[in-house]
Amino acid sequence: GENVEQHPSTLSVQEGDSAVIKCTYSDSASNYFPWYKQELGKGPQLIIDIRSNVGEKKDQRIAVTLNKTAKHFSLHITETQPEDSAVYFCAASETGGSYIPTFGRGTSLIVHP
Amino acid sequence: DAGITQSPRHKVTETGTPVTLRCHQTENHRYMYWYRQDPGHGLRLIHYSYGVKDTDKGEVSDGYSVSRSKTEDFLLTLESATSSQTSVYFCASGQGSSQETQYFGPGTRLLVL
Repeated sequence: GENVEQHPSTLSVQEGDSAVIKCTYSDSASNYFPWYKQELGKGPQLIIDIRSNVGEKKDQRIAVTLNKTAKHFSLHITETQPEDSAVYFCAASETGGSYIPTFGRGTSLIVHP
Repeated sequence: DAGITQSPRHKVTETGTPVTLRCHQTENHRYMYWYRQDPGHGLRLIHYSYGVKDTDKGEVSDGYSVSRSKTEDFLLTLESATSSQTSVYFCASGQGSSQETQYFGPGTRLLVL
């Protein structure tokens, strides 16, 4: 089955800096890669996703890049703000049939004012 | 936000007692999932459902059972609770491979004494 590794487990940055979270996956059949943000006391919420036919996707201050050859994808947050502080999860899955994503273990991002 | 709720939100129980957690969604989503979240482990899939009365096991299904008698409801039962099942439980729903986004509930914090 799929295995997703996520690094780092904790990331501390100053407000205004950039933050990068990296994930690797093992199953070359995976073709859909979502990122979720979990604020304290809440459930995870999708913030951005990317499919295997695209190398990069941006949405305002967040972007995701995908390298299918190396089997890794990354979340980039620019101009970080205190409200970006949360736990971020990456996931990988194969679309078609039952949709069962495999999640990374999460990254706790702390943005210091 | 998708209408997905969980009950109860908090529960304290004793070892050996049965416990049932409820998930309710109002989006007519085909897929529903139960995850547990523990420090250092991220989100681990317990069971999932791909339709009424259609369920399957996830990676950590031992000691848990599920039922889905209606599209909107997905029940998770701990048959005989153990201290290792102390965790935060999240339910999610989605349409599956046609629209992969998972919508998560607010979580249930379970303490087994």
